[in-house]
Amino acid sequence: ETGVTQTPRHLVMGMTNKKSLKCEQHLGHNAMYWYKQSAKKPLELMFVYNFKEQTENNSVPSRFSPECPNSSHLFLHLHTLQPEDSALYLCASSPVGVSYEQYFGPGTRLTVT
Amino acid sequence: EDKVVQSPLSLVVHEGDTVTLNCSYEVTNFRSLLWYKQEKKAPTFLFMLTSSGIEKKSGRLSSILDKKELFSILNITATQTGDSAIYLCAVELSSNTGKLIFGQGTTLQVKP
Repeated sequence: ETGVTQTPRHLVMGMTNKKSLKCEQHLGHNAMYWYKQSAKKPLELMFVYNFKEQTENNSVPSRFSPECPNSSHLFLHLHTLQPEDSALYLCASSPVGVSYEQYFGPGTRLTVT
Repeated sequence: EDKVVQSPLSLVVHEGDTVTLNCSYEVTNFRSLLWYKQEKKAPTFLFMLTSSGIEKKSGRLSSILDKKELFSILNITATQTGDSAIYLCAVELSSNTGKLIFGQGTTLQVKP
């Protein structure tokens, strides 16, 4: 499989559930990103990892917990979310220092009930 | 606060029309301006602009940057139904953190 893949593509969870989103890239990149896209709002950067180290946390609530075990995989662990966290969560990757070459995954459509 | 604003937020045109999408920005440490097309889910890269006045062109799409007035435009000529998408503008900061600031996007619908 090529490019950036994300699983699951759709997720419905209750506010007390714990779930994880997974992102995998097959492009040989060393930077990975999590974005949140809510209706009628700009695409919002959440986290950046360069060489597995977190370099950016855009004031994201602690109920979102990222994990980057290696340069090819990125997870977003979710717990005690709120209905307003319902959104499309996009993962992207790029070469480090070349953020304009971000390739995006198809996203996970998350609904919190 | 860094900010990117796109206009219009939505646009409906007919096939064959020419459209101009606008993007203005106020950021510290500007590095480049990017345009993406988002159909269904994943945004796909269109253009990167770093210098004023140099037009980037790809088929019927073209874009130009004005760093003095802090804006960019994306032109699409002879629109087709396949151009229907959300067009995103983003500014890359020179902080080397990989941070992109996105605008709200312009939703373009091209009717047959």
